[in-house]
Amino acid sequence: QVLLEQSGPEVKKPGSSVRVSCRVSGGTFSVYVITWVRQVPGQGPEWMGRITPVLDVANYAQKFQDRATITADKSTTTVYMDLRGLRSDDTAVYYCARERTAYPSGSYAYPFFDDWGRGTLVTVSS
Amino acid sequence: DIQMTQSPSSLSAFVGDRVTITCRASQSISRYVNWYQQKPGNAPAVLIYATSNLQSGVPSRFSGSGSGTDFTLTISSLLPEDFATYYCQQTYTTPHTFGQGTKLDIK
Repeated sequence: QVLLEQSGPEVKKPGSSVRVSCRVSGGTFSVYVITWVRQVPGQGPEWMGRITPVLDVANYAQKFQDRATITADKSTTTVYMDLRGLRSDDTAVYYCARERTAYPSGSYAYPFFDDWGRGTLVTVSS
Repeated sequence: DIQMTQSPSSLSAFVGDRVTITCRASQSISRYVNWYQQKPGNAPAVLIYATSNLQSGVPSRFSGSGSGTDFTLTISSLLPEDFATYYCQQTYTTPHTFGQGTKLDIK
């Protein structure tokens, strides 16, 4: 089993930035795909983006393309999510999750998220 | 982005009932649907991946079906620990969007 340990809660002012970390232990970090998902209380989860550390390639939902940066430090097996230009509607719980791929029918790859961090509450308030 | 629309948004049922939750995608997504259960204060936990495959350790009273745009999650006989919020998710293409959730509570 893969364990994902996230950093603690944050309170930020509008316009500032936040960094949330996700330390991954167990297995082979560099080949994992780590995803960031956020959830506003009472709403469904929202996919923000993901990174494959071995490739050092990240991709983002268009909504976050200009404000979010996801990076990975292979030496500490930690993934970071930076979000800039914070607004009150960025108040949410931010989760990291491991994207796993299954091949139930043999040839097609089906991604799903099977290991999650406990979440980091980011509160944006003046 | 592909929109995932769940129904109902909330559902009340008795222990022992059979319940079905539906999820409709805004375009065809083959069988790229996962289902998650979330309890208050916890992260979502995967129940079913690729429409109908039970994640290891998930009880067999959970099942999934569908293809294309219409998908269902069925719980054959509710137990007290099944009262939670359920989400569908598509992983056909990024962003891997989720439904808005179905809150299942005890009648």
